[in-house]
This record gives sequence, C-alpha cells and structure tokens, in this order.
Amino acid sequence: GAVVSQHPSWVICKSGTSVKIECRSLDFQATTMFWYRQFPKQSLMLMATSNEGSKATYEQGVEKDKFLINHASLTLSTLTVTSAHPEDSSFYICSARGGDYYGYTFGSGTRLTVV
Amino acid sequence: AQSVTQPDIHITVSEGASLELRCNYSYGATPYLFWYVQSPGQGLQLLLKYFSGDTLVQGIKGFEAEFKRSQSSFNLRKPSVHWSDAAEYFCAVGDGNKLVFGAGTILRVKS
Repeated sequence: GAVVSQHPSWVICKSGTSVKIECRSLDFQATTMFWYRQFPKQSLMLMATSNEGSKATYEQGVEKDKFLINHASLTLSTLTVTSAHPEDSSFYICSARGGDYYGYTFGSGTRLTVV
Repeated sequence: AQSVTQPDIHITVSEGASLELRCNYSYGATPYLFWYVQSPGQGLQLLLKYFSGDTLVQGIKGFEAEFKRSQSSFNLRKPSVHWSDAAEYFCAVGDGNKLVFGAGTILRVKS
C-alpha cells in the first residue's frame, strides 16, 4: 500500500533557528501534499497544500514566510520552519495524495520543540 | 465550506462492548468521508472511507461506518472493542482536494 515517510520524528531546536521537515512518498508519486499542524489534544489544522512544481497554497492565517513549503519532486515535499520560536512548537503531519486519486496517506508526524 | 462535528470528546467503553462514534458533516455536494485513528505521538491511519455506492462501509480492524445522507452522518461502529482500540479517532470530509477534520474523539477502553 501507499507509504509516506516523514523525518525527523522529533526535533529540538533553539529559538531563532530554522528547521526542515521532510515528507516522502515511498511507493507512489504524490501529485499533491498537505501539511497539517496539531496542537496537544486538538484536531489537525491544514496549513498548506502543495502541488509538485508549483507554489504552495496556504490557508488563511498561516504565515507563508515562516512556514516555507517546497514540493520540488513527485516524491518529496519539505516544510521549513524559519526563525522558530517557542510558539511554533507543535506536532506537524504531512499527507500525500497520488495514484489512488481519492486516497490520502499520512506520515508519522514530527514533534517540534523550540527552546 | 465543509465542516465536521464529532460531538463526543471522550468515550469510555468496556472491553468486549460495542462502540459507536458519531460524526456529522456539512457539505454542499456528495462528500468524500473518512475515519482515521491516531495513537499518541503517531500519524493517522485510515480505517475506512466512503465515496459512493453501498452506504455501509467495511474497514480495517473490524470497524464499519454507515453513511446516512438524510442525517448528514457517518458514524463509526465496532461490535466488540479490544483494549488495543484505545486511541483518538478523527472523522474527515474531503471535497476532492483537501480534508477537513473533526475535533476527534478519544476512546478509552476499560477492562
């Protein structure tokens, strides 16, 4: 079945630094990838949608200059949290769609802690 | 815009008892509906999905869900709950592009 690999699983960084999270589709071509953020004991909130080779579409209220999304190939999308601050600490999850057009496969998530 | 309501934040059931998790959606057209399960600190695993056809959908791990258009509902059921089913469950509606998730229901299983 479709598998999405997300790395790293967890990361701790200092305030002011940048962190990159990778999301790879291992056995299918992901024409569309989604990035979600999940606060403790809350639901997933869509941050942005990216299609391979084009700019990401950000949801209202999401700072595109802080959360840089790149979808340069059909198997890889990256989320870079720039100049991270403690309030950016959260659980980030990617999802990919492709092949089975109506299927969404999720990565295992990345726990980001900014200290 | 589509939205999803999961009215129960927490549900506790005894092991071996039946389970029903409620989900109501708001969407103007025929929805694509999903149920996912999430264990703590993990990603989401798809339990089942409905796009069209038979309104009773079978999923993995013995789960099933029934789409009721008249009630705008897509409730998840399991006849006999196992302790390993303890997790958080999310209902989601898709428009063919993005998914919108409900707030989730945390399932606790008591022995």
